[in-house]
Parts: sequence; structure tokens; C-alpha cells
Amino acid sequence: QKEVEQNSGPLSVPEGAIASLNCTYSDRGSQSFFWYRQYSGKSPELIMSIYSNGDKEDGRFTAQLNKASQYVSLLIRDSQPSDSATYLCAVSGMNTGFQKLVFGTGTRLLVSP
Amino acid sequence: DARVTQTPRHKVTEMGQEVTMRCQPILGHNTVFWYRQTMMQGLELLAYFRNRAPLDDSGMPKDRFSAEMPDATLATLKIQPSEPRDSAVYFCASGSGQGRTGELFFGEGSRLTVL
Repeated sequence: QKEVEQNSGPLSVPEGAIASLNCTYSDRGSQSFFWYRQYSGKSPELIMSIYSNGDKEDGRFTAQLNKASQYVSLLIRDSQPSDSATYLCAVSGMNTGFQKLVFGTGTRLLVSP
Repeated sequence: DARVTQTPRHKVTEMGQEVTMRCQPILGHNTVFWYRQTMMQGLELLAYFRNRAPLDDSGMPKDRFSAEMPDATLATLKIQPSEPRDSAVYFCASGSGQGRTGELFFGEGSRLTVL
């Protein structure tokens, strides 16, 4: 079992819709959770971080964390074609070292005009 | 404009040749990571340095890979001898090493093709 699992997609949504991206992790000691966005041929960039159970909102992005279910999600409201990218879930924690990120393989999101 | 700089951006080499990739982390960052990205495996951590000391290189094939930080402004990843299965994009990332932040700043990557 991979430490961080994501559906590879592609997830296709029309412009203006809500895109929902999901991630599960295996290490119960994980304490920090991140979403990185990676455009094709580019490097990953951090878009959201979440450390506590519940929701965290930043503009059109909402990260959701449920530690009991070992589940992290990212919601993108009013999806735009420019959101088309691969979204990488990453976790870190005591067992791995706080700055040592373990990444999922990513979910490819396609937003059609 | 602070950024992580990696060289070379692209490298094509033949099996058995030595490959050296270089990384200049963001000034003031004390953690440096080497990741390898392939379609099948995604981003895999190869090595991790804090204050130039190697903390974790468990993800790196020890027989052919080596990673060093000769000084605070330079990290290197060397493959000797290279094999076709080493073909991937190699990313260097740096972080401030403070608290729980997972904000790593990635370089543009070095795309390696081993024939």
C-alpha cells in the first residue's frame, strides 16, 4: 500500500463547476497536509496547507481534513481552464520528519471551457 | 526574485556514463531535498539535507547514486554509472526548515534521459 494515494484521473469538470480532489494516507502519525499544483512540464507549487481537522478556505480553494478517516480533500470552486493541472497531495509528520514530504502520484484535473 | 536553480535543465547520456546534477537552494533556506519524478512512481524522495548534513537518503539506490552539499549554496546529485531506468525528472527543493511548514520551493527540474 502506498503511503499517500490519489486517483490519477483525469478528473474532467466544466468551467464554473466544483472540482473535488481526494487523497488518503496510511501513516496515522501524519500531522501536516499539503496540496501542490503542477502544470505540465513545470515544477510543483504549494497552494494549500492544513494541519487540523475541518475545513480551511483560501479564495476558491478549500482543503478538508479528517484524521480519523485518514482523508484529505481539495475543493476548487468556480473551476477555470487555468486550473487544469496535476494536483499532488503531500503529508509529513513525526514518523517521517516534519519537513520530509511524502507525495501522492497526483490527480490530473481538466477544466473544459 | 528568490528561486531554486538547477542545472542542467536537460541531459541526454548513454548508459554507463556519469551524470551530475546541481542545485542552488534559496539563500537562507537550510533544508534541501532531491526528488525524482516519473509517470509511474510520481515524486519520490531521494535525499534530504538539513544545515548541509544528510538526514535521510533511504530512497536513493546507494550503489550508484550519491548526494552531497559541499557548501550552503550548492547541492549535487551524482549517478555513476547511469542506467536507462534512471530516466526521469529530478527536482531539487529547498525550505526554511521552520516549524511545520511544508512549503518547499522547487527548482525547474533536470530532465534526464539515459539511452
